[in-house]
Amino acid sequence: GAGVSQSPSNKVTEKGKDVELRCDPISGHTALYWYRQRLGQGLEFLIYFQGNSAPDKSGLPSDRFSAERTGESVSTLTIQRTQQEDSAVYLCASSSHPEGTQYFGPGTRLLVL
Amino acid sequence: TQLLEQSPQFLSIQEGENLTVYCNSSSVFSSLQWYRQEPGEGPVLLVTVVTGGEVKKLKRLTFQFGDARKDSSLHITAAQTGDTGLYLCAGAMGTGKLIFGQGTTLQVKP
Repeated sequence: GAGVSQSPSNKVTEKGKDVELRCDPISGHTALYWYRQRLGQGLEFLIYFQGNSAPDKSGLPSDRFSAERTGESVSTLTIQRTQQEDSAVYLCASSSHPEGTQYFGPGTRLLVL
Repeated sequence: TQLLEQSPQFLSIQEGENLTVYCNSSSVFSSLQWYRQEPGEGPVLLVTVVTGGEVKKLKRLTFQFGDARKDSSLHITAAQTGDTGLYLCAGAMGTGKLIFGQGTTLQVKP
């Protein structure tokens, strides 16, 4: 009965380096979401995958951000040439159907020095 | 563009006091969800309201969805220190994704 898992839990990187964040959704969940959360703030939508449909990338802040999902399983969020303003918690969530209850992972805390 | 305005953004009260958090928008939502998030964890769903005017109660928490389905409120009666956390509202607009408010940080002091 695993929930959503994310790895790594913490990541410290140097400005200009690329990072890759992983999300393992709940098995059978067709919808997968990535959010960014700055300290004490709400969730900023990044990207949404639903089944085999084209992902909704409308929340990606720049072309340095990209994400992929393999079928209805693992997703990877990649940030290229990281900047200090990319420092935040990156949360992944999955749901069994669009606009359904979203089950969140614990997040990856990214610090760009 | 922030479609969901949540207020207040920060609230510090004494144990036993009552409080209300508001979530407002000019947009109509098909449903609205309230989440609670504790430090170091992801948000966890508290409730979903679907019908305009709907009221749901979870122990000391009362959730209301506005008649026009554009706003919602969360009322906590006799707050306890265990209620401390970040409260988030999120609206569904039929696009397949949720729009989150900026959150209300609640601190309940003993």
